Amino acid sequence: AQSVTQLDSQVPVFEEAPVELRCNYSSSVSVYLFWYVQYPNQGLQLLLKYLSGSTLVESINGFEAEFNKSQTSFHLRKPSVHISDTAEYFCAVTRRQGGSEKLVFGKGTKLTVNP
Amino acid sequence: NAGVTQTPKFQVLKTGQSMTLQCAQDMNHNSMYWYRQDPGMGLRLIYYSASEGTTDKGEVPNGYNVSRLNKREFSLRLESAAPSQTSVYFCASRVSGGTNTGELFFGEGSRLTVL
Repeated sequence: AQSVTQLDSQVPVFEEAPVELRCNYSSSVSVYLFWYVQYPNQGLQLLLKYLSGSTLVESINGFEAEFNKSQTSFHLRKPSVHISDTAEYFCAVTRRQGGSEKLVFGKGTKLTVNP
Repeated sequence: NAGVTQTPKFQVLKTGQSMTLQCAQDMNHNSMYWYRQDPGMGLRLIYYSASEGTTDKGEVPNGYNVSRLNKREFSLRLESAAPSQTSVYFCASRVSGGTNTGELFFGEGSRLTVL
């Protein structure tokens, strides 16, 4: 079974500091990997995804994540965060169950950016 | 462009009462999902509907029923609410067929409290 581990439940940082949100997954087969973001009192939105090809993927707001197959990781990074990046971030992995594929979410990391 | 719309946004129930959460999407998506979100637990799949006319259980289906009314609408029913069902419920949808590339579109959530 697929599982997703987000190693930090909360990450406080100061504005303009770099941040890394860690995600590890368990799988011995090809996977698709995702990061979703949830701003306060909203639903989740897709931030970025890895399907194939280049192992470094980027979002439009400066986040990037690198697929590392040997370490089964997909950590999310940003070199300089803004107050507006305060949100909860979820790593997700596809899981094949029966004849269908479903997303399995990690438990989330709350990023708080302080002035 | 409404996307995924959930009603109601807030609801307070007494133990044993029943209620239905409504979800509608206007993106012509085939697949629809119901998740619950609890602090420190991430998102857990309750039920999903891969296409109109089909529904399947997710990780935590006990105490819930669903109806895929048509392609647009997917409702979640609590027949006899329990305090353990206090949670934030999210409906999501996606285009299905082929590989699950993972981009789910979420509603804004329905916050349910069971006293």
